Amino acid sequence: GEDVEQSLFLSVREGDSSVINCTYTDSSSTYLYWYKQEPGAGLQLLTYIFSNMDMKQDQRLTVLLNKKDKHLSLRIADTQTGDSAIYFCAESPSGTYKYIFGTGTRLKVLA
Amino acid sequence: GAVVSQHPSWVICKSGTSVKIECRSLDFQATTMFWYRQFPKQSLMLMATSNEGSKATYEQGVEKDKFLINHASLTLSTLTVTSAHPEDSSFYICSAAGETDESTGAPDTQYFGPGTRLTVL
Repeated sequence: GEDVEQSLFLSVREGDSSVINCTYTDSSSTYLYWYKQEPGAGLQLLTYIFSNMDMKQDQRLTVLLNKKDKHLSLRIADTQTGDSAIYFCAESPSGTYKYIFGTGTRLKVLA
Repeated sequence: GAVVSQHPSWVICKSGTSVKIECRSLDFQATTMFWYRQFPKQSLMLMATSNEGSKATYEQGVEKDKFLINHASLTLSTLTVTSAHPEDSSFYICSAAGETDESTGAPDTQYFGPGTRLTVL
């Protein structure tokens, strides 16, 4: 099936690093994305990674891609209370505009 | 750049009435627009994909006569929920693709609107 799996919850202390994991299904996916959703709002694009990359860093965000295991992770360094939100990974299978979204991980940052 | 707006942000209507939701790409031309539905504490469910000037492609299980989609221009798509019922109450989110993010090089990235919360009484 086309299930993109994520753990449902993650709780970290302010200042610690957060790691959100995602397992995707379609090996043809060219791009993989991370989006952030705050309560009652739409999705904000955080970053993406091209499938021929292993890692991408963008300020506090680091994306790691293990294509062999179809595993994607998002690391947030120095996590702040403003990072509390739901984080969705999404894959975009080759040849289509469509996204397949993960189940979402609810990140709670404790002060 | 790549801003997508939705209107209204929330709407409450009576059962049996129709509700129209607009999705606009403000600073780019959207080749394709998508409509999603999100239930509380759940992921996004793709309802349909629309390309400007052509009929929308609906996902399996989505009633096309119930959820009318019009993509009249490269910057505007509308979703009309016809004869709404309480089970149609949900958070509806649109996205638009067509802008290539030159700073990152990712084509076909979807940019999302802020969502519309529909409550049907």
